[in-house]
Amino acid sequence: ETGVTQTPRHLVMGMTNKKSLKCEQHLGHNAMYWYKQSAKKPLELMFVYNFKEQTENNSVPSRFSPECPNSSHLFLHLHTLQPEDSALYLCASSQEGSGTPATGELFFGEGSRLTVL
Amino acid sequence: GESVGLHLPTLSVQEGDNSIINCAYSNSASDYFIWYKQESGKGPQFIIDIRSNMDKRQGQRVTVLLNKTVKHLSLQIAATQPGDSAVYFCAENTGMDSSYKLIFGSGTRLLVRP
Repeated sequence: ETGVTQTPRHLVMGMTNKKSLKCEQHLGHNAMYWYKQSAKKPLELMFVYNFKEQTENNSVPSRFSPECPNSSHLFLHLHTLQPEDSALYLCASSQEGSGTPATGELFFGEGSRLTVL
Repeated sequence: GESVGLHLPTLSVQEGDNSIINCAYSNSASDYFIWYKQESGKGPQFIIDIRSNMDKRQGQRVTVLLNKTVKHLSLQIAATQPGDSAVYFCAENTGMDSSYKLIFGSGTRLLVRP
């Protein structure tokens, strides 16, 4: 399996729908991230989870709700989205923390292409 | 994973020539920098990194130069190949201590002419 797997790869939803994006990393990393890639801002950090704790919420609207049940899985729950939320959502993982060789290198998944109608 | 619709700066080079992609970063306290390559339909992939205590680092066909005085980063690709065609992003680490928070630049599209 590839290092970071994202599903679904493509998602079309209406503004009143509720859907979720899933990310799974098979690299044994302890940090996971959601990035948004759109025409306006190429790679925009949304959320960071370190040791399953959310350490960063980059002023993301509440219609995006992350969930990290363990260090290998990350979800992004979507509800009442707007058309301007259409973008590619990228998940990434890295190894961080004191006492552990940490390069800061992010390993990205292939992304979930979201279209909001 | 392509940056469809983005009006990115574009660098067009002849196959076999050297490519230089530039990036300006914003935070003088950033201590770690990475270059990523994103091919069409894929997520970004790590190319090379450099820490702020260095000004140059070489990899296979790639060199990263860091000028902290003017907060400038460059990626040099030697003997550019068609497979190098992609969007290239620089990223700076603005996190503290052992935490990493990578902020990405807007990207440059590299087109390699056969």
